[in-house]
Amino acid sequence: AQTVTQSQPEMSVQEAETVTLSCTYDTSESDYYLFWYKQPPSRQMILVIRQEAYKQQNATENRFSVNFQKAAKSFSLKISDSQLGDAAMYFCAYRVYNTDKLIFGTGTRLQVFP
Amino acid sequence: DAGVIQSPRHEVTEMGQEVTLRCKPISGHNSLFWYRQTMMRGLELLIYFNNNVPIDDSGMPEDRFSAKMPNASFSTLKIQPSEPRDSAVYFCASSPEGYEQYFGPGTRLTVT
Repeated sequence: AQTVTQSQPEMSVQEAETVTLSCTYDTSESDYYLFWYKQPPSRQMILVIRQEAYKQQNATENRFSVNFQKAAKSFSLKISDSQLGDAAMYFCAYRVYNTDKLIFGTGTRLQVFP
Repeated sequence: DAGVIQSPRHEVTEMGQEVTLRCKPISGHNSLFWYRQTMMRGLELLIYFNNNVPIDDSGMPEDRFSAKMPNASFSTLKIQPSEPRDSAVYFCASSPEGYEQYFGPGTRLTVT
């Protein structure tokens, strides 16, 4: 069965600094998608970034980028120039290529200090 | 686009009462998902529909839970009878086939 593991329950970062959130997953599939979602205190789940497994290039969205290591089954999120508004729970999620079902990790709570 | 719409945003009810949560997906999206989020169990997929047809309901906790999607623009999740352990935030999400899911704002359910 596919599983997603986020081993860091909490992380903190100083404003303007860089932080990396870890995610590993277990699957026997070769085609799949990976996502990072952000859940601020408002509890709205917001898509941050997505990565297709067949793409070797790491996805980037403004200050957010991923380090996708397919062989190691690792998918970390790097937040550069952290802002106070980045404080939230971050969830890593996995989707098998030809299905719609998402499997979520347990989340990492990110605190940003001024 | 208004995004995924859920109602009510908050619901407080007494044990044994029937609760109905509602969801309007984004127009054009053909997949709809119901999730439950608690501190203990995290984010759990309860059921999802594709083209209004239930595809996977393996996450539905028990017979007290039921979900329907009578048309492409509306879905309900019903709990009857409700119990205190059902207290959670319930999310609805939709997606165009093969793409990422877009979440609604959630319904916070409290059963006393």
